Order: sequence, then C-alpha cells, then structure tokens
Amino acid sequence: ETGVTQTPRHLVMGMTNKKSLKCEQHLGHNAMYWYKQSAKKPLELMFVYSLEERVENNSVPSRFSPECPNSSHLFLHLHTLQPEDSALYLCASSQSGGDYGYTFGSGTRLTVV
Amino acid sequence: AQSVSQHNHHVILSEAASLELGCNYSYGGTVNLFWYVQYPGQHLQLLLKYFSGDPLVKGIKGFEAEFIKSKFSFNLRKPSVQWSDTAEYFCAVNVWNSGYALNFGKGTSLLVTP
Repeated sequence: ETGVTQTPRHLVMGMTNKKSLKCEQHLGHNAMYWYKQSAKKPLELMFVYSLEERVENNSVPSRFSPECPNSSHLFLHLHTLQPEDSALYLCASSQSGGDYGYTFGSGTRLTVV
Repeated sequence: AQSVSQHNHHVILSEAASLELGCNYSYGGTVNLFWYVQYPGQHLQLLLKYFSGDPLVKGIKGFEAEFIKSKFSFNLRKPSVQWSDTAEYFCAVNVWNSGYALNFGKGTSLLVTP
C-alpha cells in the first residue's frame, strides 16, 4: 500500500448507472488529485483540490463530479458515462505545492458497458 | 501550449545495455521535474525528482537524470538496465498555475530482454 487507498479496484458499470470512486489518504497531505489514465494517452489531470477547495477543473465533462469533504477523502461521482470513459482512474495526494512529492493510489479500473 | 514531451514511446533493450529516455517541457518559469515508473499492474512510483541545486539527480534503482535548463530537458539515464526495469516511465512537471498538479508526458514503454 502506498498510503493512498482507492476503492473499488475494479468497477463495471452501465451507461445509465450512477457510481462513486473513493480515495483516502492518511499522510497528512492537504492536496488531492484525480487523474485519468487511458491507453496510448498521457495521464490526464481531471481535478485538483487544495485545502479542500477545487483549484482546477481541467475541462472535464459534467458526468464526472468530484467531492472533497475533508483533506483525507476524495470522491469521484460518475453518472451517464460513455464507453470511452473506460480507463484507470488514479488518485494522488501531496502537500500543497508538491515540494515533498506526490503519492499515487493503485487506481480504479473502470469499464463502461 | 504548455506540455511535457517524451520522445520515445517504445524502447527495447537487452540486459546490461545503457538507457537514456528523453523528456522536454515547454513551461516557462520555475518548474519541478519528476520521473515516475509504473511496473506492470502496479501503482506509479517516484524514481527521482529535481527541485533545485545540482542538476544531476540520482534516484532509486540506479537511475539518474540531468536537468539542462537551456534545453528545457530532463533526460533519464541508467548505465546498465536489468530485466526488472521493464516498465512504463513517465516524465512529469508540476507548475504553479495548475494548482501544483503534476502534468505528465505520454510515457515510454521499456522492454528489457534477457
């Protein structure tokens, strides 16, 4: 384990379903991130939360909705996804500014059918 | 546009060969630079990072990287690769105007053959 825990590890959902991905860290970090990792594409930054406030929304479709209730937890709520949204979703955390590095979770492998 | 470029998408080497993976970035101002590795089925792990000081940084597992500011480059090197180095390698930059999030290159897939 890296200190950043993501659940579930695997998720299969239909296009009309609603599901949520969860990320939890107890490293004392105050910034958390969602990334999307697709085949043959760079890791795409989706959302940035620093001190529990959203700093960046990198033009992500509204069918992805993040939530950061406290500095240790980050959620990604999913609804009416498309098959092209199938990917590995990675959560990461850091101290704000990243000076002490970033820690990544193992990811949630999402398949949209 | 601001970006991170990794020149080699797929590299195949024999064991004991030397490795150099290229990385260039196009961000202005102060940047922090990173190399991450992702072994098959595993999470991203930090190999090394550069914040300031000596532009030649040493990381884990015998990897090193050199920051050349004039060339906007941060190339990864290893003098002698092993089969266990087979993995995906990602160069990344964190920039202040993205909430200090990491911005990644497309990655380089390295296959080391026995």
